Amino acid sequence: EFVLTQSPGTLSLSPGERATLSCRASQSVSSSYLAWYQQKPGQAPRLLIYGASSRATGIPDRFSGSGSGTDFTLTISRLEPEDFAVYYCQQYGTSPQTFGQGTKVEIK
Amino acid sequence: QITLKESGPTLVKPTQTLTLTCTFSGFSLSTSGVGVGWIRQPPGKALEWLALIYWDDDKRYSPSLRSRLTITKDTSKNQVVLTMTNMDPLDTATYYCARRTSRYGMDVWGQGTTVTVSS
Repeated sequence: EFVLTQSPGTLSLSPGERATLSCRASQSVSSSYLAWYQQKPGQAPRLLIYGASSRATGIPDRFSGSGSGTDFTLTISRLEPEDFAVYYCQQYGTSPQTFGQGTKVEIK
Repeated sequence: QITLKESGPTLVKPTQTLTLTCTFSGFSLSTSGVGVGWIRQPPGKALEWLALIYWDDDKRYSPSLRSRLTITKDTSKNQVVLTMTNMDPLDTATYYCARRTSRYGMDVWGQGTTVTVSS
């Protein structure tokens, strides 16, 4: 069973700064079936990135994903006020299609 | 427009069976590659993947909950049903359903339904 480990647990940054979130898998993720989701309080998660690096429909280009194999990164180039939220990675290539434990991006 | 909506009881007693229904529109669960999955989130905690049913009726479950979960679909009604037996207070969570595609992962989510397990 895949284990996805996200780091850091919490990222304290100011608007305008760059955020770099990591997701490490316990085994290689097949065909880059790696997604990133954003979740704000009281809301359902929203798909940001699929296939490790492709932005979902309507996602601003300040969000970018990269990586392959076991190491993946979500980068937010310049944080906007609405970007402060919790971010989850998920591998969806092999069942169970596990999620990471999340990274909270909070205002410094 | 693709939408999913979860429905079911908000309160169940310990040892009871929970039945949740996901009613969706804007896509067909007969389309190759499409699935509908269930995910839960205890208060203040991370997302937990529970189960998934594919267009061809292939079913996948979380290994830790497999013995308690059953997922079924009614393609004609555009519904997916999840049952979870022997509910425990630790199963208190918001339960989400989401569409899953092979390309995008879980691309559209329902709003979630909160289930509390308490006597």
